[in-house]
Amino acid sequence: NAGVTQTPKFQVLKTGQSMTLQCAQDMNHEYMSWYRQDPGMGLRLIHYSVGAGITDQGEVPNGYNVSRSTTEDFPLRLLSAAPSQTSVYFCASSYSPGTNTGELFFGEGSRLTVL
Amino acid sequence: GDSVTQMEGPVTLSEEAFLTINCTYTATGYPSLFWYVQYPGEGLQLLLKATKADDKGSNKGFEATYRKETTSFHLEKGSVQVSDSAVYFCALTDSGSARQLTFGSGTQLTVLP
Repeated sequence: NAGVTQTPKFQVLKTGQSMTLQCAQDMNHEYMSWYRQDPGMGLRLIHYSVGAGITDQGEVPNGYNVSRSTTEDFPLRLLSAAPSQTSVYFCASSYSPGTNTGELFFGEGSRLTVL
Repeated sequence: GDSVTQMEGPVTLSEEAFLTINCTYTATGYPSLFWYVQYPGEGLQLLLKATKADDKGSNKGFEATYRKETTSFHLEKGSVQVSDSAVYFCALTDSGSARQLTFGSGTQLTVLP
């Protein structure tokens, strides 16, 4: 059972470089989201999507772009990486946000370091 | 806005000790409350939940009771094991929607043999 799959697991970038974190889920979930996890700050929502073709901003969207062309995939793009984006990134999905009970299914995380 | 406050860690216990991790919340409505657990090198996974006042969520020997009068949802386990070593996150949603989950900062638990 694959669940939510994130790649890469580790990445080191130089300031100004761009990259894409990939996220795929095989549970036919309508809702997908990206969080960043920083020490002492818990998880903060970056962007989310309630279905293919629909995305919206979360709490900390600046410096990140997303798209949702299919139900399965929700990539997160960093266009010009900054050291403040050094973090662990988690992709998460759930059933339709209108009917779920708040349970999220998480990927294993992607640790990004920006030098 | 909504917020979740957890006891600061790290927490270190010996095997078979009693565990309490405190969680209090602020919310405008009647939130659903959750505990998520993150084992080393893994993503978060739902441990237990409660959707209304006085509900008790339980799973894997862990329990938490939704206390509206004290706005609390403390996590307890009577006898911890080394395998319980993880980071525990308290969370709430005011609307029942995953996109509006608010997480606490997490509490690192280490259980020594």
